[in-house]
Amino acid sequence: AQKITQTQPGMFVQEKEAVTLDCTYDTSDPSYGLFWYKQPSSGEMIFLIYQGSYDQQNATEGRYSLNFQKARKSANLVISASQLGDSAMYFCAMREGGGRGSTLGRLYFGRGTQLTVWP
Amino acid sequence: GAVVSQHPSWVICKSGTSVKIECRSLDFQATTMFWYRQFPKQSLMLMATSNEGSKATYEQGVEKDKFLINHASLTLSTLTVTSAHPEDSSFYICSAGDTRTPASTDTQYFGPGTRLTVL
Repeated sequence: AQKITQTQPGMFVQEKEAVTLDCTYDTSDPSYGLFWYKQPSSGEMIFLIYQGSYDQQNATEGRYSLNFQKARKSANLVISASQLGDSAMYFCAMREGGGRGSTLGRLYFGRGTQLTVWP
Repeated sequence: GAVVSQHPSWVICKSGTSVKIECRSLDFQATTMFWYRQFPKQSLMLMATSNEGSKATYEQGVEKDKFLINHASLTLSTLTVTSAHPEDSSFYICSAGDTRTPASTDTQYFGPGTRLTVL
């Protein structure tokens, strides 16, 4: 079974509007971390936001927020006030085990969602 | 955030030659680095986990003798594609984690990637 599922191959949003990118995950480990990365056409992977499985509150980083619904195993990324520069591929990823400050573990990536912001 | 560099950013080589790609953590020490491969419009696929001072751990299906990984220091890991063929053409990207602080999110920071084209 896929550990990370991103069901939206592509999303379109108008500038200044908010958009939600879906991500569901599958793990039996009670401790895990969820990540979102942005990959523009240049190829670099840019870290956006992190959510730990034991975190009580949804993570926020500027215009990015993570809608973490543990019971549903979903970790959707919400981008508010979209900008043209937000157009890129977005990947959801998960690390199983550990926690804050623990030993690094491999990341499992979803297939990605191509976001296009239009004026 | 932490900075990871990769060199070269792109390389074109003839079939049968070997290519070395370097991954460096610039402002932190990384005991563990990861090597990924990404085909166009696809997700990142983990190739191997590189551990400083020990042998790399390869994912199933990845040829150890073809993709040689050396992690000789805490800031440098290298991937050598030996006897490269056109099917090895891909985008190779490394990541390293910054675990300097106990409150670290174990975020993996990615290098800018290396685009390999084998003629």
